[in-house]
Amino acid sequence: NAGVTQTPKFRVLKTGQSMTLLCAQDMNHEYMYWYRQDPGMGLRLIHYSVGEGTTAKGEVPDGYNVSRLKKQNFLLGLESAAPSQTSVYFCASTRLSEPQHFGDGTRLSIL
Amino acid sequence: GESVGLHLPTLSVQEGDNSIINCAYSNSASDYFIWYKQESGKGPQFIIDIRSNMDKRQGQRVTVLLNKTVKHLSLQIAATQPGDSAVYFCAENIKGSQGNLIFGKGTKLSVKP
Repeated sequence: NAGVTQTPKFRVLKTGQSMTLLCAQDMNHEYMYWYRQDPGMGLRLIHYSVGEGTTAKGEVPDGYNVSRLKKQNFLLGLESAAPSQTSVYFCASTRLSEPQHFGDGTRLSIL
Repeated sequence: GESVGLHLPTLSVQEGDNSIINCAYSNSASDYFIWYKQESGKGPQFIIDIRSNMDKRQGQRVTVLLNKTVKHLSLQIAATQPGDSAVYFCAENIKGSQGNLIFGKGTKLSVKP
C-alpha cells in the first residue's frame, strides 16, 4: 500500500518558470490538502479539496493553483515561480474526522 | 539535512526516560486533536489522536492528555528511545472546518543514548 506519493521529490527552478507538483493517494480518500513547510513556521495550508472536481483556498493560496480532476490525484501548480516559494511542499489525504496521511514532500528551490 | 528543526523549542532527554511534549491550542471550538512525528527528510507521521469528549488516550508507549479548560494538549512518551528523536507537532481541527488542521510550530525531541 503506497499511501500518499508525491512527485518530484526535488526540483530547482528559475524565477518565472512554471511547474506542477503531483500528489497521488491510493486510499480512496475524499479530502486532499497541499501544505508548505518553512523553518520555524510549521505547516501552512495552501489549498485543499473535499472531493473530485472541487477545490478551495487555504491560509496561503497566493501564487498557487490546484486541480482535482480525479479523486486519487491532487495537482499543485506554480504559474510563475518566485524565490519566496522556496519551501518543502507536503500533500495529505484523509476521510473526515480521521488523521491526515502525508507524503514525504517535494523540496523546491527557486533561484 | 532537513531544516524544519531550526528555531524550534528543543527537549533533550536521556534514553529510557519519559518525555513530555506540550502544546497550547488556539480555538475552544476545536473538537479533534492529533500528534504527528516528523523525522528528517520525511513527511509527518500520525502518532495518536484524541477527540474533545475525552481527557486521555493511550497507545503503545504514548499517551495524549487533553485539558480543555486551559486549551492544553500533551504527549507523553514512555521509555524514550533514540528512534523517537524527531520533531513533534500537535494539530487541532476546528469543528465544521472540513477537516482542515491547524498545526503548532513543533518541538524537537533529542534522545541521548
